[in-house]
Amino acid sequence: DAKTTQPNSMESNEEEPVHLPCNHSTISGTDYIHWYRQLPSQGPEYVIHGLTSNVNNRMASLAIAEDRKSSTLILHRATLRDAAVYYCILRDVTGYALNFGKGTSLLVTP
Amino acid sequence: SQTIHQWPATLVQPVGSPLSLECTVEGTSNPNLYWYRQAAGRGLQLLFYSVGIGQISSEVPQNLSASRPQDRQFILSSKKLLLSDSGFYLCAWSVLWDRGNTEAFFGQGTRLTVV
Repeated sequence: DAKTTQPNSMESNEEEPVHLPCNHSTISGTDYIHWYRQLPSQGPEYVIHGLTSNVNNRMASLAIAEDRKSSTLILHRATLRDAAVYYCILRDVTGYALNFGKGTSLLVTP
Repeated sequence: SQTIHQWPATLVQPVGSPLSLECTVEGTSNPNLYWYRQAAGRGLQLLFYSVGIGQISSEVPQNLSASRPQDRQFILSSKKLLLSDSGFYLCAWSVLWDRGNTEAFFGQGTRLTVV
């Protein structure tokens, strides 16, 4: 399975933009890039996903490199409620694989 | 709309006792179903997934088993719990045959403590 690499932790100031990187150099052409986040003591929550083009939704934006070997989750204005562990995951064409790595722990400070 | 129910929210069980965690999904048919475990301070580990009634795939050999007796019901079991079975157990579902293009939905989890 193609794997992802993320920094263990990042810190941001409230109301500042946050760019969370993810490397996936062995991604296959049919792998979708998914992002989830997990707040303490809760189940993961879907954030955004994409295949080749950049994607925007009400929660975040996803910027995908042209060669698809890396991507960046962008939170446009971090709030204290955005403090969570963010997971970058590749889902293959079968849709079965949903393997979480260690993710990035985002700390948001006032 | 679709919802996922997982219970109980917390559970304290003695070593050697049996376990049964239940997960049900409403508002969809033929979902992919998943069981995950998260040990304290660790990432999420995929334990089992199922693409249909009676079809279970195990990702990690362990002291646990899973069953899917009905389309939208997924059960995680153990005959004899070990201390190492403690953790946060999560059930999830996604659309079958979505080719990776839709999100997965997670329950609120069961925190199991084996004493």
